[in-house]
Amino acid sequence: ILNVEQSPQSLHVQEGDSTNFTCSFPSSNFYALHWYRWETAKSPEALFVMTLNGDEKKKGRISATLNTKEGYSYLYIKGSQPEDSATYLCAFSKAGGGADGLTFGKGTHLIIQP
Amino acid sequence: AAGVIQSPRHLIKEKRETATLKCYPIPRHDTVYWYQQGPGQDPQFLISFYEKMQSDKGSIPDRFSAQQFSDYHSELNMSSLELGDSALYFCASSLVAAYNEQFFGPGTRLTVL
Repeated sequence: ILNVEQSPQSLHVQEGDSTNFTCSFPSSNFYALHWYRWETAKSPEALFVMTLNGDEKKKGRISATLNTKEGYSYLYIKGSQPEDSATYLCAFSKAGGGADGLTFGKGTHLIIQP
Repeated sequence: AAGVIQSPRHLIKEKRETATLKCYPIPRHDTVYWYQQGPGQDPQFLISFYEKMQSDKGSIPDRFSAQQFSDYHSELNMSSLELGDSALYFCASSLVAAYNEQFFGPGTRLTVL
């Protein structure tokens, strides 16, 4: 059974502050690590897919890093805005998993307070 | 840009009835995945298809079956429905060569009464 853990479970951040949260995953049998942004009543939106140790990806104010040797990824949000409020899910793809299902963490629920 | 289409968006069934959910992947995507998300839970993988062949299997009950057709759309068939099958069912699609990056549809909300 693959174990993908995210912390914290929920987070309240003041508008304008920066924040980050963690995803830990199995360091063996790794293929890819995915981050999704999920707003209520919408489908998960793909943010990043990362495959190489040391990968860093950036999209606007959101960035992510990857450490496959120790099995963790960080997601950073700089200068949080109310529209950043959402659940952020990470998901793990195992090796040989080009068409395999993702194993999701339980998400970090982020609330940005004006 | 075209996204994953799922139909119906909402479905209400009685216990022991059957249900069929449909998924139309993003054009030129060759792989389709089905996930089940229960209340307050993360999405749980059910099954995937690559080029119309079953690729990976997760926690899909024996009462459920699925297939991918020649036009790459997929259907999830659910029989002998139980109350516990009430959930949001997501379909996702990808290009198998793209590091399993999956794009999700809006989901079908199934309620079993």
